[in-house]
Amino acid sequence: EPEVTQTPSHQVTQMGQEVILRCVPISNHLYFYWYRQILGQKVEFLVSFYNNEISEKSEIFDDQFSVERPDGSNFTLKIRSTKLEDSAMYFCASRPGLPTDTQYFGPGTRLTVL
Amino acid sequence: AQSVTQPDIHITVSEGASLELRCNYSYGATPYLFWYVQSPGQGLQLLLKYFSGDTLVQGIKGFEAEFKRSQSSFNLRKPSVHWSDAAEYFCAVATNTGNQFYFGTGTSLTVIP
Repeated sequence: EPEVTQTPSHQVTQMGQEVILRCVPISNHLYFYWYRQILGQKVEFLVSFYNNEISEKSEIFDDQFSVERPDGSNFTLKIRSTKLEDSAMYFCASRPGLPTDTQYFGPGTRLTVL
Repeated sequence: AQSVTQPDIHITVSEGASLELRCNYSYGATPYLFWYVQSPGQGLQLLLKYFSGDTLVQGIKGFEAEFKRSQSSFNLRKPSVHWSDAAEYFCAVATNTGNQFYFGTGTSLTVIP
């Protein structure tokens, strides 16, 4: 069964450094998402992406965040200058196309900012 | 604004007992509702979803949920819990574009032998 993959599984970085989290959505899916989950808290929506542009974003998704689909398969989340509070699990998701389609989540990347 | 409330932070049940996890939502239009399960160190797995039609929906692993519009609820149930059901359970509501998901804070389920 196709699945969303994410790399790396765990990323450790120093405060102020840039990180890029990578995701490979399920092929032929059209919508892509990033979520984050701070330890012990709920999963929070960051951004949705369709047709090579951001379709919706939350208040969390400020100027330090950016997303890109650099080729036909990868979907990346860049955090320009990491802060301690960016430490969280980041989940990528994709869905085929219809609003009623299920979002399929990847296993997540745990980001630790020191 | 859209929101999801899961009033039970942690629930403990005995193996073989029945289970009900509560979820209340706030959304102005007809909601798209979901239950996901998250095992430790894993991603989110869809258990079931509701968009329209029959208000009782069946999911994987023997789970079911009932949509009650009058109560703005979408509670998850299972008649007989297995030890492998121990996990974190998240209720979510999606906007009718399907583009934004709002998750509850989750309910942690412990199953005792």
